[in-house]
Amino acid sequence: AQSVTQLGSHVSVSEGALVLLRCNYSSSVPPYLFWYVQYPNQGLQLLLKYTTGATLVKGINGFEAEFKKSETSFHLTKPSAHMSDAAEYFCALYNTNAGKSTFGDGTTLTVKP
Amino acid sequence: EAQVTQNPRYLITVTGKKLTVTCSQNMNHEYMSWYRQDPGLGLRQIYYSMNVEVTDKGDVPEGYKVSRKEKRNFPLILESPSPNQTSLYFCASSFSQGGHQPQHFGDGTRLSIL
Repeated sequence: AQSVTQLGSHVSVSEGALVLLRCNYSSSVPPYLFWYVQYPNQGLQLLLKYTTGATLVKGINGFEAEFKKSETSFHLTKPSAHMSDAAEYFCALYNTNAGKSTFGDGTTLTVKP
Repeated sequence: EAQVTQNPRYLITVTGKKLTVTCSQNMNHEYMSWYRQDPGLGLRQIYYSMNVEVTDKGDVPEGYKVSRKEKRNFPLILESPSPNQTSLYFCASSFSQGGHQPQHFGDGTRLSIL
């Protein structure tokens, strides 16, 4: 069975500070990994994805994530938080063999002025 | 404009009264999926479809039905809704069955079952 664990349901940072949202996964096959962002009353939007190749992937709005197979992690980072980054963030895993998607429980990011 | 459209956006109904939530995408995507979102539980996959006439159970399929008669539509059917199906539902679609492409999400349907 595949699973996604997001460490920390709530993360609070000051504007300008580093953002680090943690995601660990479990998968019996090489995973495809995604980070999505959800703003209030909206659906999810893709931030970035890892399928194959370069393990450091860059996404929109200055976010990036690094796939570390040895640590089964795919943590999301941004060097300097903006107020507009306040949202809920979801890490997701897609199993190409089964067609199933598994999402983490989400992390709510608060940015303090 | 490329989009996934869900209807209705909000619905309050009573236990046992059959309802259907429609989902339509205009991107010619092969893969479509339904999720429910509950506080603290993230998104859980209900059903997915890799192509027309092909559907499979996700992690929480009990109490739901789906059909995929056309590529663009993937309705979610609650034959006999119960209060534990009160939730926020999202439909999503993706171009590739192989998982390389991200999913595009609708704006959600908030269901309240009394």
